Amino acid sequence: DTAVSQTPKYLVTQMGNDKSIKCEQNLGHDTMYWYKQDSKKFLKIMFSYNNKELIINETVPNRFSPKSPDKAHLNLHINSLELGDSAVYFCASSQDASGGVKTQYFGPGTRLLVL
Amino acid sequence: DQQVKQNSPSLSVQEGRISILNCDYTNSMFDYFLWYKKYPAEGPTFLISISSIKDKNEDGRFTVFLNKSAKHLSLHIVPSQPGDSAVYFCAASAYQFYFGTGTSLTVIP
Repeated sequence: DTAVSQTPKYLVTQMGNDKSIKCEQNLGHDTMYWYKQDSKKFLKIMFSYNNKELIINETVPNRFSPKSPDKAHLNLHINSLELGDSAVYFCASSQDASGGVKTQYFGPGTRLLVL
Repeated sequence: DQQVKQNSPSLSVQEGRISILNCDYTNSMFDYFLWYKKYPAEGPTFLISISSIKDKNEDGRFTVFLNKSAKHLSLHIVPSQPGDSAVYFCAASAYQFYFGTGTSLTVIP
């Protein structure tokens, strides 16, 4: 009954590889997000999708590509992984991105380590 | 350009006493503020929020205060309990969310 789930929970990979992180929410929310928490614990938004459409795309390398097959899923694909990509990646969802109460609900995080 | 700052990385409080966590922000366009609690190896969980039209919101042991003129937000937990030990993030929202770097609270039994 997890509201926002992410897989895998841990990901250890070599530089240069391509990997994907999956996210699913069963809350019926319209908006989903990807955040990166770096070694300084700074939680920063990467992408936001509302009803399968990209609405926020912060300055991230184009090696990162979000894919939303439906509004309950937002996957993150990363090409040519680099050491600096090592971080914890959190998926989140909220009901309304354009106004009103917009509390975000977070997944448990995916700990990515690039060697 | 960190728009939300939590200048205290850690805080220790005795059980039963008040915990006060502070947060400062720079963007006067923020209209909604939230506090999240995070345990190790878990995602942040929503704790309490406040709209910019209010200066106080209370939920049980948790109270959030907003001082718009000072661009300052605080979370009061009273009485503090050992189970409150976690990292607390404040967040502010206009078009998107901005998070602080968190304050690790330890409540000593």
